[in-house]
Parts: sequence; structure tokens; C-alpha cells
Amino acid sequence: QVHLVQSGAEVKKPGASVIISCKTSGYAFTYFYMLWVRQAPGRGPECVGMINPATGATTYTQGFQGRVTMTRDKSTSTVYMELSSLRSEDTAVYYCARGTLADWGQGSMVTVSS
Amino acid sequence: DIQMTQSPSSLSASVGDTVTITCRASQGVGNDLGWFQQKPGTAPKRLIYSASILQSGVPSRFSGSGSGTDFTLTISSLQPEDFATYYCLQHRTYPWTFGQGTKVEIK
Repeated sequence: QVHLVQSGAEVKKPGASVIISCKTSGYAFTYFYMLWVRQAPGRGPECVGMINPATGATTYTQGFQGRVTMTRDKSTSTVYMELSSLRSEDTAVYYCARGTLADWGQGSMVTVSS
Repeated sequence: DIQMTQSPSSLSASVGDTVTITCRASQGVGNDLGWFQQKPGTAPKRLIYSASILQSGVPSRFSGSGSGTDFTLTISSLQPEDFATYYCLQHRTYPWTFGQGTKVEIK
């Protein structure tokens, strides 16, 4: 059974960075892209970017380029997303999701507040 | 970016009704489209993939159709557990984009 388990909630000040982890199990880690999707309060989901766990190659949505970095650790089947220069508009639940979003993590709430 | 226009943004329906939600893409996406259900405080759940294929474990009252630019999600005989928000997603071209959502409420 596929499991995606994310790190916990974070509260950050504007300008800070946050790193969220997504530990996977139950499938071949390198076989499926992993996406990061965020959802601001009361809003619909939006894609932040994706990583190919086999190669580490990444694709980021234009609005996040320069502020987001996605990495993976094949030894622990874990992917990471770092978002820097945080602002209040980054307050959202961040999800990792496998492939064409068949499986999702439980979400990590990131609150940006002074 | 491909824009996904979903309608209606909300609807009220009764248990047992048939509900139809549509999604229109600003350019063709083939059948690279999924439908998701989301309940408050939880991650979206995929119901349909490749426009019309029912995700394993999802009740058969959910169905999807369409290809290219126009897609439909139909819920036949609405059940109490179906009251939720529904999103379409195109994954033909990055950035993958979601529709704005349709909130299905109890009449």
C-alpha cells in the first residue's frame, strides 16, 4: 500500500525559509514523479513543481522559480521541498502527490506571520 | 499555461439527484484529465483519470467523459457522502492546472 507521510506544521516569519519532507513507502520510489501542490485557505490547489526521483531533475512553476528547491534522497525514499523568502501569501497547506496525483500526503500547513 | 474553466462554481442538490460538472480547457489536453473530490481538512482524492477511467475503489455512480477541451463529471444518485468540492486537473502540459472547483451542497 502506498504511503506518503509529510512533516508537520510550520510557523515562519516573512523572509524565512521552510523545508517540508515527504517520506514514501509501498512502491518503487524512482518509478513515479512526485509533485508538490499547495492550497491556500479557501482557494483551489495549484502546482508548485515536480521532481523525477530517478534523476533528480526538477520542473518548477514559473511563479515559484528562484524560491523553490526540490530534492530527493533515494536511500530513504524521501522527497523534500524548500521554499525561501516566505511571504504571507505563501500561507497554505502543502501536499506531495505521486504521479498523476493518484496518491497524496496528508499535507503540511505552513503559516507565514510576523 | 492551460486555463481550466470549471462550472458551475457551486450547486445545490438533493440526495438521489444526478449532478453534472463541466470543465473546459483553453487548449486541447487529449485525455490527460483527472477529477478530484475534496472534503474539508483533507487532501484531494482522485476519482477519475484519463478523463473517463474510474479510480479503483470509487463508486460506479461517478463517471467521466470528454476529450480534447471539454470534459464532464457526472454523479448519479447523489449520496450524503458526495457533498464536497470537486476539481478537474489537466496534466498534459506543465504547469499542470486545476479548475476553480465546484462545491456541491445539500439542498
